[in-house]
Amino acid sequence: AQSVTQLGSHVSVSEGALVLLRCNYSSSVPPYLFWYVQYPNQGLQLLLKYTTGATLVKGINGFEAEFKKSETSFHLTKPSAHMSDAAEYFCAVRPYSSASKIIFGSGTRLSIRP
Amino acid sequence: DADVTQTPRNRITKTGKRIMLECSQTKGHDRMYWYRQDPGLGLRLIYYSFDVKDINKGEISDGYSVSRQAQAKFSLSLESAIPNQTALYFCATSDSTGRGTEAFFGQGTRLTVV
Repeated sequence: AQSVTQLGSHVSVSEGALVLLRCNYSSSVPPYLFWYVQYPNQGLQLLLKYTTGATLVKGINGFEAEFKKSETSFHLTKPSAHMSDAAEYFCAVRPYSSASKIIFGSGTRLSIRP
Repeated sequence: DADVTQTPRNRITKTGKRIMLECSQTKGHDRMYWYRQDPGLGLRLIYYSFDVKDINKGEISDGYSVSRQAQAKFSLSLESAIPNQTALYFCATSDSTGRGTEAFFGQGTRLTVV
């Protein structure tokens, strides 16, 4: 069965510092991979996704993620954190199978220190 | 107007009451999902539907039922609400026709069972 592990339920960085949110998945076949962001009192919004092709994926708001098959990872990064990045971030996977559903990780809350 | 609309946005109900959460979408997607979000647990799948005649249980379906009234409408019912069903509920949709298509979320329904 597919599963998604997000390391660290809470990450705190200083404004201007590197943001790194970790995501590992378990799957015998590389799935489709997603990162979503949830701002307070809002629904989830897609940040970026990996389907096929280039393993470095760029998303909105300066975020990017790299798919590493050998490490079964899809970590999210941003070179310089901004106060507006404070939110909860979810990694998700969906297998290639046409009958697949989307499975989410437990989420990482990102706090930004002034 | 939102592409995925959930009603109500907030609801307080008493233990033992039946309650229905509704979801409608204008995206023309065939797949619809219900998730619940609890702090530290991320999003857990309750039910999902790949078309009007295809309903499937997710990982936490006990105590819930669903109805897919039309391609655009997917409702979630709690037959006899209990306090541990207090959570934030999200409806989502996705399209089966594209590769690696993501899920689109409603704004959520905050349900409190007292």
